[in-house]
Amino acid sequence: AQSVAQPEDQVNVAEGNPLTVKCTYSVSGNPYLFWYVQYPNRGLQFLLKYITGDNLVKGSYGFEAEFNKSQTSFHLKKPSALVSDSALYFCAVRDGPGSASKIIFGSGTRLSIRP
Amino acid sequence: ETGVTQSPTHLIKTRGQQVTLRCSSQSGHNTVSWYQQALGQGPQFIFQYYREEENGRGNFPPRFSGLQFPNYSSELNVNALELDDSALYLCASSFESSGYEQYFGPGTRLTVT
Repeated sequence: AQSVAQPEDQVNVAEGNPLTVKCTYSVSGNPYLFWYVQYPNRGLQFLLKYITGDNLVKGSYGFEAEFNKSQTSFHLKKPSALVSDSALYFCAVRDGPGSASKIIFGSGTRLSIRP
Repeated sequence: ETGVTQSPTHLIKTRGQQVTLRCSSQSGHNTVSWYQQALGQGPQFIFQYYREEENGRGNFPPRFSGLQFPNYSSELNVNALELDDSALYLCASSFESSGYEQYFGPGTRLTVT
């Protein structure tokens, strides 16, 4: 069965420093990987996805993620954190391209950026 | 903001009652998924509809049911509400050619007392 793990409940970073939010996955076939962000009392917003191709994926708001097949990881990164990046981040995996494929979310990582 | 809307925003129900939550998908999207998000947790997949048919379901009992209409709007129905059903319910729409990234609505906060 497919699964997603976000090993850190919270990540604290100073503004201007690089940030990394970790994600590992388990899926039987080729993974479709996603990152979403959730602000308080809001739905989730799509940040970026990996389907195929270049292992470094660029997304919204300056975020990027690196797909590592051998380590089954898809860590979210940003070179320089902003206070406004503080939010709850979810990694998700879909187990294939078909219409019946399902998406499974991790438990989330709260990112806190201090001024 | 996405083009996905949900109603109502908040809802308070009593244990044993029934509830219907509604979702209007983003234009052109033919797939809708529903999720339950308890406080402090990630969204849990309830079920998915593709072109008006359920084509995937998570570990939720049959008292959670749904519909997708020809215009791709959707409903989530929950019967015999339990206290543990209190959560944020999210719907998300997608289209296969987009690589299945999902566009979420703002959610409905359900409180069961």
